[in-house]
Amino acid sequence: GQNIDQPTEMTATEGAIVQINCTYQTSGFNGLFWYQQHAGEAPTFLSYNVLDGLEEKGRFSSFLSRSKGYSYLLLKELQMKDSASYLCAVRFSGGYQKVTFGTGTKLQVIP
Amino acid sequence: ETGVTQTPRHLVMGMTNKKSLKCEQHLGHNAMYWYKQSAKKPLELMFVYSLEERVENNSVPSRFSPECPNSSHLFLHLHTLQPEDSALYLCASSQDTGSETQYFGPGTRLLVL
Repeated sequence: GQNIDQPTEMTATEGAIVQINCTYQTSGFNGLFWYQQHAGEAPTFLSYNVLDGLEEKGRFSSFLSRSKGYSYLLLKELQMKDSASYLCAVRFSGGYQKVTFGTGTKLQVIP
Repeated sequence: ETGVTQTPRHLVMGMTNKKSLKCEQHLGHNAMYWYKQSAKKPLELMFVYSLEERVENNSVPSRFSPECPNSSHLFLHLHTLQPEDSALYLCASSQDTGSETQYFGPGTRLLVL
């Protein structure tokens, strides 16, 4: 199987830092994505990791450990507009390198 | 605005109806995708097209029939659907099937009565 696990819901305070974890089965791993999806809208691309380590993009950072089958998305200086679902998706090697999505983590930012 | 448009945005249909969803991408991409997103479930890949050729059919029932007349347009033809097919149907495109990023359209919210 290609299970991808992430928490269903999280709540954090405006201005704080939140870390959203994602674990996956390592067999055939070929890259990990994070997408943001606001309610009623399309997912939008946030980050892509294929090598171990931390990738930083402004307030958002994404970390990958391939040996542990683990990634996290770190959001700093949270803003109310960051309230959304965050989707972890993994590309597995295969005929056309299929991307499998997790169920998403619904983040609520409170004042 | 991601460069991927979908119509209609909302659709209500009976189980005996036939309808089609349309997706158009203005990005010059070679790969297009249909996904189904149901409440509390992961995004499910349905079909993948690369250069107008279907390269993946992810065990989707035959009541869903995709069509890709050219690399900019993708259709999903629907007939004799079931209430459990009610979901958000998302179209996406990428430069190629191995590209880093997929660009999603806004989706069609489908309700089957």
